[in-house]
Amino acid sequence: AQRVTQPEKLLSVFKGAPVELKCNYSYSGSPELFWYVQYSRQRLQLLLRHISRESIKGFTADLNKGETSFHLKKPFAQEEDSAMYYCALSGSAGGTSYGKLTFGQGTILTVHP
Amino acid sequence: DAGVIQSPRHEVTEMGQEVTLRCKPISGHDYLFWYRQTMMRGLELLIYFNNNVPIDDSGMPEDRFSAKMPNASFSTLKIQPSEPRDSAVYFCASSLSGIGLIYEQYFGPGTRLTVT
Repeated sequence: AQRVTQPEKLLSVFKGAPVELKCNYSYSGSPELFWYVQYSRQRLQLLLRHISRESIKGFTADLNKGETSFHLKKPFAQEEDSAMYYCALSGSAGGTSYGKLTFGQGTILTVHP
Repeated sequence: DAGVIQSPRHEVTEMGQEVTLRCKPISGHDYLFWYRQTMMRGLELLIYFNNNVPIDDSGMPEDRFSAKMPNASFSTLKIQPSEPRDSAVYFCASSLSGIGLIYEQYFGPGTRLTVT
C-alpha cells in the first residue's frame, strides 16, 4: 500500500522568510513524487516532480529515500505563494508509471506581508 | 485545448436526489481520474479509467456512487441517492501514459456539490 503524509494542515510565515512544507511517504517500490498547488479559485496544477530535479517559482524538493521524505522548500516566501499544497506519489515499475496518484492531506500555506 | 472540462461547476440538490457530474478529458489522454476533496479528508481518488476501462474503483465510498466512461471524450460520476455527507468538491483529471515517462495529471476546475 502507498501512503503520503503531510503533517501540517496549516503553515504561516512572513514574507521573505524561508518555508518548508513537509511530506513523508510509504511505498515498497520505486516511487515518483510530485508537488501540486492549488491557488485560490484556480484548479490544481503540477508544481514540480522529483524526477525533473527542477526549481519552479523558487521552490525545490529533494527526494530522500532514507528518510522517505520529499519536503518542499523555498528560501524566501512571497505573498503570492499562499495556496494549498499537495504532495503526491505514483508507483512505478520498469520505468512505467502506474498512473494512479496518492495525495497527502494537503497543507495550506499563508504568507503574511 | 481548453483543458479538462467539468460540468456543472456548482450543484445544489436535496438529499435523496440523483446527481450526475460530467467530465471531458484532454483530447488524446488515455487516463481519467475522479477525485473528491473535503476539508477533513483532503483529496481522495475515487476511481480511474485507462482507455475507457475502469481500473481501480476501490476509492468509491459505496454503491450509491457509480462512474462510467462510454468513450474517450466523456465520463460521468453519478450519486444516487445523494446524502449531505456527499457534499464536497469533485475533480476530474486526465493524463497521458508512456513507458519510461511519467506524465502529469491535468485537473478540471471541479464541481462543488452541496446536498441539503
